[in-house]
Amino acid sequence: AQTVTQSQPEMSVQEAETVTLSCTYDTSENNYYLFWYKQPPSRQMILVIRQEAYKQQNATENRFSVNFQKAAKSFSLKISDSQLGDTAMYFCAFIAHSGNTPLVFGKGTRLSVIA
Amino acid sequence: ETGVTQSPTHLIKTRGQQVTLRCSSQSGHNTVSWYQQALGQGPQFIFQYYREEENGRGNFPPRFSGLQFPNYSSELNVNALELDDSALYLCASSSSRGFLNTEAFFGQGTRLTVV
Repeated sequence: AQTVTQSQPEMSVQEAETVTLSCTYDTSENNYYLFWYKQPPSRQMILVIRQEAYKQQNATENRFSVNFQKAAKSFSLKISDSQLGDTAMYFCAFIAHSGNTPLVFGKGTRLSVIA
Repeated sequence: ETGVTQSPTHLIKTRGQQVTLRCSSQSGHNTVSWYQQALGQGPQFIFQYYREEENGRGNFPPRFSGLQFPNYSSELNVNALELDDSALYLCASSSSRGFLNTEAFFGQGTRLTVV
């Protein structure tokens, strides 16, 4: 069974600074996808960034980038130039490429961006 | 806005009652997944429907049941409500049959409180 662990329940960062959220996972699968989702107070889960395990290059989306370490089963999210609108819960999630199991989420990290 | 809408947004029920939650999927999507997100936790997979048939189920008892309609909208029914059923219920729609919902879009959720 796959598990996703987010070891930082809460984090805070000053506006315009950079913050890194950690995620580790456990799986016996070789091909899979990893995601970071943002859940603001509006509750809607929004996809931030996605990484395919077979790609060595780390995914980037504007101010968001990941550090994917497959051997270490680590998938951290870096937010650059943090903005007040980045304040939200962030969830790391995993899905096997086989498509035989659903999305598995971590418990989340609550990020507060401070003005 | 993802085009996935859930109703109602909030609901209070008494222990032992039954509840029906609704989800309208995004246009063009034929797969709907339901998740339960307890307070302080990540979403947990309940079940998935593809073209009106249940396509997979998580570790939830039979009193959690669902339907998908010809227009691909979906319902989640919970019988004999228990206090632990209090949670945010999320619906996600996608256009892929399997669990490989790399393009899943979430609704804003229904907050269910059981008293």
